[in-house]
Amino acid sequence: AQSVTQLGSHVSVSEGALVLLRCNYSSSVPPYLFWYVQYPNQGLQLLLKYTTGATLVKGINGFEAEFKKSETSFHLTKPSAHMSDAAEYFCAVSESGAGSYQLTFGKGTKLSVIP
Amino acid sequence: DADVTQTPRNRITKTGKRIMLECSQTKGHDRMYWYRQDPGLGLRLIYYSFDVKDINKGEISDGYSVSRQAQAKFSLSLESAIPNQTALYFCATSDSTGPGETQYFGPGTRLLVL
Repeated sequence: AQSVTQLGSHVSVSEGALVLLRCNYSSSVPPYLFWYVQYPNQGLQLLLKYTTGATLVKGINGFEAEFKKSETSFHLTKPSAHMSDAAEYFCAVSESGAGSYQLTFGKGTKLSVIP
Repeated sequence: DADVTQTPRNRITKTGKRIMLECSQTKGHDRMYWYRQDPGLGLRLIYYSFDVKDINKGEISDGYSVSRQAQAKFSLSLESAIPNQTALYFCATSDSTGPGETQYFGPGTRLLVL
């Protein structure tokens, strides 16, 4: 069975500071890993995903994440936070192969950006 | 226009009432999903459908039913609503064309059961 743990339900950063949102996963098969973002009163949208190949994945809005198999982690970073980054972020995992449709989500991390 | 739409966006109902939430998509995707979101719990899968004739239970299907009326439409019903079904409900779609398929979410329906 697959699972996702997001460390920190709330993270606050100053505008211009580094954003680091942590995600650890467990999976019995090679995972596919995702970060989704939810802006207030909106649905989720994909920020980035890792399937195979390069372990450093770049997404939209300047975000990136690195798949580290040895640490079972997929942390999300952005060098410089912007006010518009304030949102809730969800890490998710699915299995490679036939189970790739079945997403398991973490509980989410709400990011606040302080002016 | 939005690719995945949900109606209604907000709904208040009473315990014991039957309620239907609707989802439509213009993305042409075969796969559709219903999730519920509760604060601090993330998203949990209720039902999913790979095509009109293929419907499957998810993690938390008790108390819910679904109908896939067409490729583009997937409805979620609460046969007899109860207060702990108060939540934010999302519909999502995906295609099956590659590894790690992306899911595309609607804007959500906020349901309050009194």
